[in-house]
Amino acid sequence: QKEVEQNSGPLSVPEGAIASLNCTYSDRGSQSFFWYRQYSGKSPELIMSIYSNGDKEDGRFTAQLNKASQYVSLLIRDSQPSDSATYLCAVKKGGNTGFQKLVFGTGTRLLVSP
Amino acid sequence: NAGVTQTPKFRILKIGQSMTLQCTQDMNHNYMYWYRQDPGMGLKLIYYSVGAGITDKGEVPNGYNVSRSTTEDFPLRLELAAPSQTSVYFCASTGGGADTDTQYFGPGTRLTVL
Repeated sequence: QKEVEQNSGPLSVPEGAIASLNCTYSDRGSQSFFWYRQYSGKSPELIMSIYSNGDKEDGRFTAQLNKASQYVSLLIRDSQPSDSATYLCAVKKGGNTGFQKLVFGTGTRLLVSP
Repeated sequence: NAGVTQTPKFRILKIGQSMTLQCTQDMNHNYMYWYRQDPGMGLKLIYYSVGAGITDKGEVPNGYNVSRSTTEDFPLRLELAAPSQTSVYFCASTGGGADTDTQYFGPGTRLTVL
């Protein structure tokens, strides 16, 4: 079993729809979870972090965490063509404050059509 | 403030050649990381450093070496390049304070070994 699993996609949604991206992880002791966005040919960029069960909202993005089910998701409301990218789920394996040892999923490619 | 910079952007190596990928950050971050990303795959940690003079292996260190003589620089050395090292290499850093959990990535180096 992979440590962090994501559906590779592509996930195709029309403009204005809600895109739902999912991620599962195997280490039940994990405490910190991240979503990175990566445009084609570019480097990853952090868009959301979540540490507690429940929802965390930031603009059009909502991260959801369910530690009991070992499940993290990212919702993108009012999807725009500019949201078309690969979304990487990452789980922190340990380390002190400031130091991150992240395990990344393989990413889900999102395509938003006009 | 340039963030994390990497050179070169692209490089083609012949099997058995060696090279150094340069990484510099100007954010005074203690923690630095080297990843590789193969097509359709997530990021794999090669080496990391928690401060000048301190480095440690990540998930896929074979065929690579690193050094950290200053806070700013974290070069990655490839000895005896092999086709399996064809990949995109990203350097990243994290600091402390309010930005603790944000990994800042450089633009990447696309390496082909023929």
